[in-house]
Amino acid sequence: AQSVTQLGSHVSVSEGALVLLRCNYSSSVPPYLFWYVQYPNQGLQLLLKYTSAATLVKGINGFEAEFKKSETSFHLTKPSAHMSDAAEYFCAVSGRGGSQGNLIFGKGTKLSVKP
Amino acid sequence: EPEVTQTPSHQVTQMGQEVILRCVPISNHLYFYWYRQILGQKVEFLVSFYNNEISEKSEIFDDQFSVERPDGSNFTLKIRSTKLEDSAMYFCASSAGTPNYGYTFGSGTRLTVV
Repeated sequence: AQSVTQLGSHVSVSEGALVLLRCNYSSSVPPYLFWYVQYPNQGLQLLLKYTSAATLVKGINGFEAEFKKSETSFHLTKPSAHMSDAAEYFCAVSGRGGSQGNLIFGKGTKLSVKP
Repeated sequence: EPEVTQTPSHQVTQMGQEVILRCVPISNHLYFYWYRQILGQKVEFLVSFYNNEISEKSEIFDDQFSVERPDGSNFTLKIRSTKLEDSAMYFCASSAGTPNYGYTFGSGTRLTVV
């Protein structure tokens, strides 16, 4: 069975500071991994995805994530936070077996950015 | 950029009533999904649909739920007799293929059952 754990339901950073949102996964098959962002009253927007190519994945809005198989992690980072990054971020996993189409989401991390 | 469109954005219904949530997936996508997010909880998979039939469903997707692609463009989720616990944000998503193509989500329909 697959699962995702996001450490920290709420992260607060100052504008210009490093953003680090943690995601650990469990999967019995090589996973596909995703980060989505949800702005207030909006849908889920794909930030980036890992599909077994490069382990360091670059996404939109300056975000990137590194797949570390030994740590079963896929943490999301951004070197310098902007006020516009304030949103909820979801890590998700999808397997390469029979459940390829089924995304398993973490509980989400709400990012606040202080001026 | 192509979008997945969901209507309505908000729906309030009385317990026991039937509701239909509507989605227009991206036109060349082949795989369609419904997810839901109860307030304060994680996004949960409900059902996936491919080639005019359900390809996978979760335990949540019981006999009260059904999906349909009635006309080649719309993708609907019907809840036959709503319960209070069906109150949630319902997201439609579509994909061109296997997960490495990614999924595009709609903005969601907030369903409130009173």
